[in-house]
Amino acid sequence: DTGVSQDPRHKITKRGQNVTFRCDPISEHNRLYWYRQTLGQGPEFLTYFQNEAQLEKSRLLSDRFSAERPKGSFSTLEIQRTEQGDSAMYLCASSAGGRGGNTEAFFGQGTRLTVV
Amino acid sequence: AQSVTQLDSHVSVSEGTPVLLRCNYSSSYSPSLFWYVQHPNKGLQLLLKYTSAATLVKGINGFEAEFKKSETSFHLTKPSAHMSDAAEYFCVVSGNAGGTSYGKLTFGQGTILTVHP
Repeated sequence: DTGVSQDPRHKITKRGQNVTFRCDPISEHNRLYWYRQTLGQGPEFLTYFQNEAQLEKSRLLSDRFSAERPKGSFSTLEIQRTEQGDSAMYLCASSAGGRGGNTEAFFGQGTRLTVV
Repeated sequence: AQSVTQLDSHVSVSEGTPVLLRCNYSSSYSPSLFWYVQHPNKGLQLLLKYTSAATLVKGINGFEAEFKKSETSFHLTKPSAHMSDAAEYFCVVSGNAGGTSYGKLTFGQGTILTVHP
C-alpha cells in the first residue's frame, strides 16, 4: 500500500464547468476526509466519512459541492458550476479511527484546481 | 465544538537555537492532538500525536510536544533547529468519543518556521 492517492494532481477548468476528483485511501482505513487549502491558509474542513456514511459536511460549503464514498473505499468530490473562488488545493486524508480515540490521518498529495 | 489557535503566524530562529511553536486548543471532550509539517510543494506529514497516553510526546526529527490540560496547550519544541526544519507547521485537534466533533480534524492556521544560518 503506497498511501493515500488522489487523482488528478492538477486540474484546470473553465468557470462554470463541473469537476470531479477521486481519492483512494489507505486500505482498511474507515475514515476519509476532504479538506481545501488556499495559499497561506491552513486546511479547511469540507466533509468526512466513516465507512460509507457522510458524518459531517461543512456549513461553509455550498450546494455545488458533493462528496460520495459509495462502498466505503474510494471517494469522489464533485464541484458543479465552478467559480474562480474554488481555485485551491483539495486534500484527501484517511485514518483508522475508532471510538475512544483517533489514530493519525495520512494525507494525499492533493489535487490543485485552477478555475479560469 | 473544537478549535485550534496557533499563536504565532511566523517564527524565525537561528540554526542551532531552540524552537517553540505555540498551540492552544478548545475541545468539549478529551481530544487527540497532532502536529503536522508541510514543506514547500510537499504533502502534510505527521510529526507527532497525543492520544491520552503520556503527556510528553516525542516525534520525528527531534521534535517534542507537551499536552497541558490545565493550560489547554500543546506547544511544539525542538532543542536545536536545523535548516531542514524550515517549513509550515500545523496544530490539529480531533474530538474523541462522545463529542459532537467526533472524528473531525480541525487545523490551526499554521506557523511558518524560518531558520537562519
